[in-house]
Formats: sequence, structure tokens, C-alpha cells
Amino acid sequence: EPEVTQTPSHQVTQMGQEVILRCVPISNHLYFYWYRQILGQKVEFLVSFYNNEISEKSEIFDDQFSVERPDGSNFTLKIRSTKLEDSAMYFCASRLAGGTDTQYFGPGTRLTVL
Amino acid sequence: DAKTTQPPSMDCAEGRAANLPCNHSTISGNEYVYWYRQIHSQGPQYIIHGLKNNETNEMASLIITEDRKSSTLILPHATLRDTAVYYCIVRPYNFNKFYFGSGTKLNVKP
Repeated sequence: EPEVTQTPSHQVTQMGQEVILRCVPISNHLYFYWYRQILGQKVEFLVSFYNNEISEKSEIFDDQFSVERPDGSNFTLKIRSTKLEDSAMYFCASRLAGGTDTQYFGPGTRLTVL
Repeated sequence: DAKTTQPPSMDCAEGRAANLPCNHSTISGNEYVYWYRQIHSQGPQYIIHGLKNNETNEMASLIITEDRKSSTLILPHATLRDTAVYYCIVRPYNFNKFYFGSGTKLNVKP
């Protein structure tokens, strides 16, 4: 069964450093998402991406964040200058265009900012 | 998104049916009911969704009341691996994001 994959599983970085989290969505999916979950808190929507542009973003997704689909398979989330409060699990999700609206989530990347 | 209300936690004996309730009294006609679960800190896992009719798949059954103001997710034979947080989400079809509330922590006990 096709799955969303994410790398790395755990990323440790110093405050102020740039990080790139990578996702490989399910191959025929066209909508892509990033969510995050701070330890012990709810899963929060960050951004959605379709047709090579952001279709919606939350208040959390400020200028420090960016997303990109650099090739036909990867979908990345970049945080330019990490803060301590960016420490969280980051989940990528994808879905088909049309048909079922179900989003399928990856296993997540745990980001630890020191 | 319509607001949902779920009990914070429930217990279930292994091998018994787990019935997880969700209230969504402000649901509107074009909004679907979705259920996801999250095992420990893993990515949310899709379980099932429906609009009006009851639905069943290999994982679970979804029972939606006739007035659509509440629903119940049924895991017919709960196992220890079903211990997770279960999220009931209500949203319009083809709407972009999912809003995850606090969910129900289901504890399946031997």
C-alpha cells in the first residue's frame, strides 16, 4: 500500500539554523500539506500546496517558513531561522485531487531546536 | 469547521467492541464526518468517513444519527494495538485543512 514517507525521522539543530524537512507524498496525489504537533498539544495545520503554489496557510506559517516541490516526488518544508518554539513533530500529508478527500499522513519528523 | 465534542478518555476490554461517540450538533448539510487516530506520536491514520449513511470498512464502522448531530465509531474487536487517540473531524468535502481537536484517548486493556 502506498505511503507518505518523511526524512529525517529526527532532526536536531541549533537555534537560528535553517532546517529542511523532506516528504515524499503518495505518487499520484496532487494536494500536499504540512501539520505540526508540539509535544502534548493538538495537531495544527500549517500549509496546503497545490499546483505549485500555496493554497492556504495558517497564522503559524510566517515568513520563516517556506514550502517547495523541487521535483516530481519531493515536498519540502524549510524553516529559515529556527526558534526554540519550533521544536515539534512535523507531519506531511497528501491527497488525491477530486474523488475521496482523505488526507494520508506520513510518520513525522521530530524537530528539536537547542 | 463544525465543532465536535468527544469524551477525553475511554477504556475498553481487549476483544470487545469499542464505541467512541462524537457530538457535532452544528454540522451543516455539506460537511462530512471523518475519523482519524494517532498511535503514540505517529502520524494521524485515516480510519473512515461518511456523510449521511452508515459506513463500514476493514477497520471500523461509522454510525451517523439521522439528524447527523452525532456519530459513533465502532471498532468491533478492539486489540491492544488500537490504543490511541481518536479524532472526530467535521469538515466540508474538498475543504483544505483538517482541524484536530483533543480527541478521545482509548485505552484497550487485557
